[in-house]
Amino acid sequence: EAGVTQFPSHSVIEKGQTVTLRCDPISGHDNLYWYRRVMGKEIKFLLHFVKESKQDESGMPNNRFLAERTGGTYSTLKVQPAELEDSGVYFCASRPGGGYGYTFGSGTRLTVV
Amino acid sequence: GQQLNQSPQSMFIQEGEDVSMNCTSSSIFNTWLWYKQDPGEGPVLLIALYKAGELTSNGRLTAQFGITRKDSFLNISASIPSDVGIYFCAGPGYRSNFGNEKLTFGTGTRLTIIP
Repeated sequence: EAGVTQFPSHSVIEKGQTVTLRCDPISGHDNLYWYRRVMGKEIKFLLHFVKESKQDESGMPNNRFLAERTGGTYSTLKVQPAELEDSGVYFCASRPGGGYGYTFGSGTRLTVV
Repeated sequence: GQQLNQSPQSMFIQEGEDVSMNCTSSSIFNTWLWYKQDPGEGPVLLIALYKAGELTSNGRLTAQFGITRKDSFLNISASIPSDVGIYFCAGPGYRSNFGNEKLTFGTGTRLTIIP
């Protein structure tokens, strides 16, 4: 079984540019989460999809962040325009049903310069 | 909001030593989780604790759910090179519920093994 795949693994962009991160969850996993870790700090919840619906987006920092999951398969997280404080590692995770047994992807390291 | 205070922030030990780290919270948790992140990878669940006082082992790892439900600790015995990484405690996030099991994470403990 393939794991959670994230693309790209690294991205370096200039302040003001747009970046789109992609997550392919494990096939059949209805629940998809986005988390972010800013340098040296805790991993923070951003949002949760159930299939194509946003279940909880209370962790999204501001309206520069837009997440989508068209068709309930892969998800994208777009940051537009990027700011310096958006730098960090963005993790995607998925799970089939209930419980906290997520499978995390390897993350996308975003650096805004 | 919820905050998990994890200590120590970093540890430098020699191979074969035992390791102990802990996590405390100002609020009660009904689940405690311990994750490990290897360099360049995402967090992987090591141990899950669901009951106050519970002591659970996974190989050389042992974790306990504190009686007050506001703390947990993780011990690693006889450390080996592959134990290197960042260890995170985690618990149910604010307004987490069945169907939305979001997590609150601690700041992590970075474990380094000195040759």
